[in-house]
Order: sequence, then structure tokens, then C-alpha cells
Amino acid sequence: EAQVTQNPRYLITVTGKKLTVTCSQNMNHEYMSWYRQDPGLGLRQIYYSMNVEVTDKGDVPEGYKVSRKEKRNFPLILESPSPNQTSLYFCASSRWVGGASGELFFGEGSRLTVL
Amino acid sequence: DQQVKQNSPSLSVQEGRISILNCDYTNSMFDYFLWYKKYPAEGPTFLISISSIKDKNEDGRFTVFLNKSAKHLSLHIVPSQPGDSAVYFCAANSPGAGSYQLTFGKGTKLSVIP
Repeated sequence: EAQVTQNPRYLITVTGKKLTVTCSQNMNHEYMSWYRQDPGLGLRQIYYSMNVEVTDKGDVPEGYKVSRKEKRNFPLILESPSPNQTSLYFCASSRWVGGASGELFFGEGSRLTVL
Repeated sequence: DQQVKQNSPSLSVQEGRISILNCDYTNSMFDYFLWYKKYPAEGPTFLISISSIKDKNEDGRFTVFLNKSAKHLSLHIVPSQPGDSAVYFCAANSPGAGSYQLTFGKGTKLSVIP
């Protein structure tokens, strides 16, 4: 089954404690991206990756890091989480055909609470 | 600066009637538009898209209309069903910029009343 898998689905942590949200896709997609969803703000892009070892900032990258060492994985790293990073996070992937837009497939989301 | 706007946070429609969800954009470089549907506790799922070279795209009960001069698109659902109750996000992309960065609206929550 084609899917984007995120872990953990739910996490409560404390300010400053480093955490990683993993994302894996099994569709051999070149493009992967992280979004956060907040009430009244919709979906905002954090980082994206066009392919292995190629990453770039989205609209709200502050406080986050990413890496793309393998095509299937795109972890989101919060080095020192703060309460304003409490949010619902979505990983997404897409086939990238160099100029044409592909459909984005989303994971089920990771709800993060930073106390 | 919000480039994709969904000005109606919510919409209620009777089952069997038409649902019309609206979306406006400001960036004239956008040339591909998508609608996503999101149920609670799930990730968004792709619904329908339209390229800027078209003004209409239809898929079953769902039709998207694009008015480029007005920078406006709309999603029509006919007939509306209770299972259509969800949050709908409009998104836009400008792939000619050399990257693939979807810009989403804030979403409209559709409630279809049986």
C-alpha cells in the first residue's frame, strides 16, 4: 500500500528537549515536505526536499532542521523545542517531474505538544 | 502576506444541494491549483486540480472553476453528501519557478446536514 508514515503520532515533551519526528514514504518519490497546521493559519510549509541531499526552507523554517540522506526518509528535527512549536505536523511526498506539479500525498499527522 | 485566501472559515449545506467553496489568490505566477480534503485525525487527501490553461475541470460530483482574470477559483460539489463534511484546503503552485512549493489557504470547514 502506498503511504507516508510519520512517527510518533502523538508526543508531549518539555522545552529544550531535542526531538525528531520521522517520515518515510514507500512510493519512490523525489519530493518530500513538512507542514504544520495551526488553528486559523491553515497549512504552512516548514522545509522541503527536491531529492536526496537537496533541502530548502519553506515559509516557517525557524527552529527546525531536516535532512535527506535517503530518498524514502525525511526526518524533522527540533533541536530545542519551544511552546510555540506546539502544533500538528504533516509530512508529504510527491513525484517530481521537473516542472510539472504532482499530487502531494500526506501522512496522518504528528501532534506535538511542548510544555 | 497571504497569497491564497479562503475567506469563509465554514459553510453549512443541506444534503443534496450544491456546495460552493471559494478561493482567491494574489500571485499571478501561480499556474496550477489543487483542492485537498481533510477529515479530523487524518492527513489531507488530494481531491481535484486544475491547470491555468483550463477554466474548468470535472471529476464526478466535484468541479473546479478557474477565473484567471479575477484570480479566483471555486470548488462545486453536486450533490452534497454527509460524507463530504470535512475541511477543504485550496492550494496553488508555480512550478515554473524551478521548485515545487505549494501554498495553502487556511481552509473552509464544510458541514453537510442530512
